[in-house]
Amino acid sequence: AQTVTQSQPEMSVQEAETVTLSCTYDTSESDYYLFWYKQPPSRQMILVIRQEAYKQQNATENRFSVNFQKAAKSFSLKISDSQLGDAAMYFCAYNGGATNKLIFGTGTLLAVQP
Amino acid sequence: NAGVMQNPRHLVRRRGQEARLRCSPMKGHSHVYWYRQLPEEGLKFMVYLQKENIIDESGMPKERFSAEFPKEGPSILRIQQVVRGDSAAYFCASSPGQAPGVYGYTFGSGTRLTVV
Repeated sequence: AQTVTQSQPEMSVQEAETVTLSCTYDTSESDYYLFWYKQPPSRQMILVIRQEAYKQQNATENRFSVNFQKAAKSFSLKISDSQLGDAAMYFCAYNGGATNKLIFGTGTLLAVQP
Repeated sequence: NAGVMQNPRHLVRRRGQEARLRCSPMKGHSHVYWYRQLPEEGLKFMVYLQKENIIDESGMPKERFSAEFPKEGPSILRIQQVVRGDSAAYFCASSPGQAPGVYGYTFGSGTRLTVV
């Protein structure tokens, strides 16, 4: 069965600095998708970034980028120039190409210090 | 486009009562997914429905929980005879296609169920 592990329950970063959130996963599939979701206190789940496993190039969305290491089954999220609005819970998620469900990690609570 | 609408946002039920959670998918989305988030945990898949069909209910508890997505109207997640352990946030997501990896999900804001 596929699993997603986020080993950092909490992280803290100074405003304008860079922070990296870790995520590892376990799968025997070769075709899959990986996601990072942000959940602010409003509880809304917001898609931050998406990576297709067959693409070697790391996905980037403005200040958010990933370091996708397929062989190591690692999918970390880098947030550059951190802003106060980035403070939230961040979830890593996996979707196998043949299934309809997302498998989530337990989340990392990010605090941004002014 | 109003996005995925869930109501109520908060629901309080006494033990033994029934809870009904509603989800209206985004316009044009015919695939609905329900997830549960227990305190301090990530979201866990419960069920995947298309109009009038349950496609995958592998994450649903065997008893007391049911879901439907009728031809007309919202998708309903129903919990009968609620217990304290059912207290959680329940999220609905919708998608225009069957493969969330390809089409992506759009999540609602969730319903927080509290059982007292």
